[in-house]
Amino acid sequence: EPEVTQTPSHQVTQMGQEVILRCVPISNHLYFYWYRQILGQKVEFLVSFYNNEISEKSEIFDDQFSVERPDGSNFTLKIRSTKLEDSAMYFCASSPNGRDTQYFGPGTRLTVL
Amino acid sequence: GNSVTQMEGPVTLSEEAFLTINCTYTATGYPSLFWYVQYPGEGLQLLLKATKADDKGSNKGFEATYRKETTSFHLEKGSVQVSDSAVYFCALHNTGGFKTIFGAGTRLFVKA
Repeated sequence: EPEVTQTPSHQVTQMGQEVILRCVPISNHLYFYWYRQILGQKVEFLVSFYNNEISEKSEIFDDQFSVERPDGSNFTLKIRSTKLEDSAMYFCASSPNGRDTQYFGPGTRLTVL
Repeated sequence: GNSVTQMEGPVTLSEEAFLTINCTYTATGYPSLFWYVQYPGEGLQLLLKATKADDKGSNKGFEATYRKETTSFHLEKGSVQVSDSAVYFCALHNTGGFKTIFGAGTRLFVKA
């Protein structure tokens, strides 16, 4: 069964550094998403992406964040200058259309020191 | 706005006990409802879903029925196993919206 994959599984970075989290959505899906989960807390929506542009974003998704689909398979989340509070598990998800089930990847645990 | 409320945990049960995790939602329109499970150290796995009123989602012995009149989607299992220990998230995805909205999660511990 096709699945969403994410790399790396764990990223450790220093405060102020840029990080790029990578995702490979399911191949025939058209909608892509990023969510985050701070340790022990609820899963929060960050951004959705369709047709090469952001379709919705949350208040968390400020100017420090950006997303890109650089080629036909990858979907990336960039954090320009990481803060301690960016430490969380980041989940990528994809959906065949905007109405159906979203399929989640295994997550990237980001630790900012 | 749209929201999901689920019972606080942790829930601790003995093996073979009956499980209920309550979930209620607030939404405009006709959302799809989901239960996701997160095993220790892992990502989110879709457990079951229901897309319209009175639908019952089921998987691995878990069930949940979409009740529009009570805006609920309670998760049940007749006989839990130690391997069911995990965090369970109730979630909704509204028609025309892009994001999935999650409840706070309920941690389940099952003792042998």
